[in-house]
Amino acid sequence: NAGVTQTPKFQVLKTGQSMTLQCAQDMNHNSMYWYRQDPGMGLRLIYYSASEGTTDKGEVPNGYNVSRLNKREFSLRLESAAPSQTSVYFCASSEFLRNTGELFFGEGSRLTVL
Amino acid sequence: DAKTTQPNSMESNEEEPVHLPCNHSTISGTDYIHWYRQLPSQGPEYVIHGLTSNVNNRMASLAIAEDRKSSTLILHRATLRDAAVYYCILRARREDMRFGAGTRLTVKP
Repeated sequence: NAGVTQTPKFQVLKTGQSMTLQCAQDMNHNSMYWYRQDPGMGLRLIYYSASEGTTDKGEVPNGYNVSRLNKREFSLRLESAAPSQTSVYFCASSEFLRNTGELFFGEGSRLTVL
Repeated sequence: DAKTTQPNSMESNEEEPVHLPCNHSTISGTDYIHWYRQLPSQGPEYVIHGLTSNVNNRMASLAIAEDRKSSTLILHRATLRDAAVYYCILRARREDMRFGAGTRLTVKP
């Protein structure tokens, strides 16, 4: 059982370049999330999707766009990368039930913007 | 949004119990208390959650104060593999999984 799969695992970009991080889950979860984690810090929510066809902003959405392509896939796009977006990005999914429902995380995508 | 406060770091000896505290004095009645941990170079993983009553599972126990303003994650016998950052989170809404800096647990052999 793969769980949550993120690609790519590593990426180096130059300032101004664009890229898309892909995330797929095979647990039939309705909710999906994108977080970023800067060195020595906790995770910060970028965007989330409560169900297929819906997306909402989290704590730090500026500079990012997302697409919930179908129930399985939730992608994160950087249109014009900046050095401040150097971080580790985590995708997660969950089945939200009355404030419960554990989050399952991918292994992370390490992005460096030069 | 309700916030949590955790110590930055804690140390434990292998095979001894560990009590990781979390303060959440502004918790509301519908907030669930969740704990996650993050092993080095991995994504966070779920540990346990609760609302009012103490909870046990194969990984840990969660003790919740009667007024719900604090909680404690208990690892009954710490192993080297339990060295991680532990996050205490209050969850009221679907998107409300906001991770603070957590507590970095070091386990000494």
